[in-house]
Amino acid sequence: EVQLVESGGGSVQPGGSLRLSCAASGFIFSSYWMHWIRQVPGKGLVWVSRINEDGSSANYADSVKGRFTISRDNAKNTLYLQMNSLRDEDTAIYYCARNTHVWGQGTMVTVSS
Amino acid sequence: QSVLTQPPSASATPGQGVSMSCSGSTSNIGNYSVNWYQQLPGTAPKLLMYSNNQRPSGVPDRFSGSKSGTSASLAISGLQSEDEADYYCASWDDSLNGWLFGGGTKLTVL
Repeated sequence: EVQLVESGGGSVQPGGSLRLSCAASGFIFSSYWMHWIRQVPGKGLVWVSRINEDGSSANYADSVKGRFTISRDNAKNTLYLQMNSLRDEDTAIYYCARNTHVWGQGTMVTVSS
Repeated sequence: QSVLTQPPSASATPGQGVSMSCSGSTSNIGNYSVNWYQQLPGTAPKLLMYSNNQRPSGVPDRFSGSKSGTSASLAISGLQSEDEADYYCASWDDSLNGWLFGGGTKLTVL
C-alpha cells in the first residue's frame, strides 16, 4: 500500500525554523517527483515546492522562495522541507504528495508569538 | 496574475447531477492537463480525476471530467450524501513555474 506519513510539525515563533519530514512506503520513492502543498485550516490548497526524482532540481512558490528548502534522501525514502524565517502566514497544514496524486495526512505548523 | 477560478459553492439533491467549473488561462489549463481533488471534512485531499478525464482506481464512474480551451469541468451524476465535500481543480502554471490550485467549490447535498 502506498503511504506517505508527514512529521515534524509544531508551534514555533516568528523567525524560527522547522524541518518537516515525509516518510514514504509502498512504492519506489526514487522514481517520483515529490511535492509539498499547504492549507490554512478552512481555506484552500496552495502548492509550496516540488523536487525531482534524484533531488537535482526543485521549484518553489514565490511566497517561500529563499526561506524554504526541499530535499530528499532516496536511501531513506524520505522527503524533507526545511523552513526558515517562518512567518505568521506560514501557519498551515503541510501535506506531502507523490506526483500530486497521492497525499499524506498532513502535519500542522503554527507560527505564532 | 495566475488564477484558477472555481465557484465557491454548489448544491443539489441526492440522485441529481451537478457540475462545477474551473476557469484558467493559457499559462495553465490552456496548455496543461487538469487534476481534480475531493476533500471530505477533516481529511486530506484525495485525487479524483487526473489528466482532465482519467479516474484513478476506485473512483466511481459517477464522476467525470472534461476540458475545453482554458476551462475544465467536473461532473457528478447520481449524487450521494457522501459526495458532500470540497472540490479543487489544479494545473501546472508556466507563469508561476509551479502548480496552481483553484479556490475550491464546496458541494452541499441537500
